[in-house]
Amino acid sequence: GEDVEQSLFLSVREGDSSVINCTYTDSSSTYLYWYKQEPGAGLQLLTYIFSNMDMKQDQRLTVLLNKKDKHLSLRIADTQTGDSAIYFCADTNTGFQKLVFGTGTRLLVSP
Amino acid sequence: NAGVTQTPKFQVLKTGQSMTLQCAQDMNHNSMYWYRQDPGMGLRLIYYSASEGTTDKGEVPNGYNVSRLNKREFSLRLESAAPSQTSVYFCASSGDKGLAGEQYFGPGTRLTVT
Repeated sequence: GEDVEQSLFLSVREGDSSVINCTYTDSSSTYLYWYKQEPGAGLQLLTYIFSNMDMKQDQRLTVLLNKKDKHLSLRIADTQTGDSAIYFCADTNTGFQKLVFGTGTRLLVSP
Repeated sequence: NAGVTQTPKFQVLKTGQSMTLQCAQDMNHNSMYWYRQDPGMGLRLIYYSASEGTTDKGEVPNGYNVSRLNKREFSLRLESAAPSQTSVYFCASSGDKGLAGEQYFGPGTRLTVT
């Protein structure tokens, strides 16, 4: 079956940039997503990228997609303590109805 | 709009007991989902319902049943709880309009089976 993988943990200092990486196996992906889970809460869509794009920027967030290597990354500029959360990348199957989530990367931002 | 609501927030069961997790959404979405979240394993889909009256198995359906009671409500039942079902359970919904793959999540139910 399809697989989406992420590193489990990332620690940065406030003000630094954070880069969270994800690899996926499904070459037919149309959209790829980043979801954010704050402590004690459900997931919330953070941003997404269409598969025919290489990069998407949204304020402090930059998503990079390398389709050849099936690699997705999320860069958070000027990381704040409020960015501490678990970040999940997710892929859609061809029917669009189901998401396949990665294992999640726990981002810890220290002052 | 409350979005997606789940009850209860916390539950402790003994092995062999049964319970039903409730989920409701007020966004008029057609599709609803149940996930479980375990450390280091991300979210895994248990069951989903593409529309009222239909349900389908996801990645980890064993030990669970679901009911799509109406368009708003989608419940998850554990008939005979096992310690391996200790997890955080999330319900989500998605609509046909807007971005495909955008799912709205409830706050979760933390279940412990002893």
